[in-house]
Amino acid sequence: DAGITQSPRHKVTETGTPVTLRCHQTENHRYMYWYRQDPGHGLRLIHYSYGVKDTDKGEVSDGYSVSRSKTEDFLLTLESATSSQTSVYFCAIRGNRGETQYFGPGTRLLVL
Amino acid sequence: DQQVKQNSPSLSVQEGRISILNCDYTNSMFDYFLWYKKYPAEGPTFLISISSIKDKNEDGRFTVFLYKSAKHLSLHIVPSQPGDSAVYFCAATLNYGGSQGNLIFGKGTKLSVKP
Repeated sequence: DAGITQSPRHKVTETGTPVTLRCHQTENHRYMYWYRQDPGHGLRLIHYSYGVKDTDKGEVSDGYSVSRSKTEDFLLTLESATSSQTSVYFCAIRGNRGETQYFGPGTRLLVL
Repeated sequence: DQQVKQNSPSLSVQEGRISILNCDYTNSMFDYFLWYKKYPAEGPTFLISISSIKDKNEDGRFTVFLYKSAKHLSLHIVPSQPGDSAVYFCAATLNYGGSQGNLIFGKGTKLSVKP
């Protein structure tokens, strides 16, 4: 168990509303990542963080923002949700050494 | 353009036989390759990895082979068990420069192991 939780686990929202997903880790790892998984696309990186207040964009960052004010929490915000953001969102963590990322259980988001 | 490709969306194997999952990549600078297993409604689980300076890594029933000249790797599962039925993702990473160890994933291969 990598000590990662995501909340909420499921969410239904309407187009145009803001949504924030939370990733919490108990491992004190430096690196945290947000991915989305869609049929036919595998997992794609949205944003990542390499320390408190240090974040950067991934492959599919448009329409998303992130914040990391504490080591243990990494927040993903959809400022104005669109139907194209309906997806399963996964958070991952990685330690200072090593290449392996460990994933949380996911958040299933439906934007109507 | 896809840098990591899994060209077989699905694979069906009989229990006890070998499962071979394939992955191709285009970037010769990748320095680690990883395999993840994913069950429905769960997060991906790390399975096994291999450094680009190796050609084989083994962990129990799982072996990954790397063929650098062909930019190809394969995951062998021997013997296959029904509990191995899942989606398998191949991933690659660059651990230098500004990449921060980000993973690039293939689209996955769904393995079905039939009793």
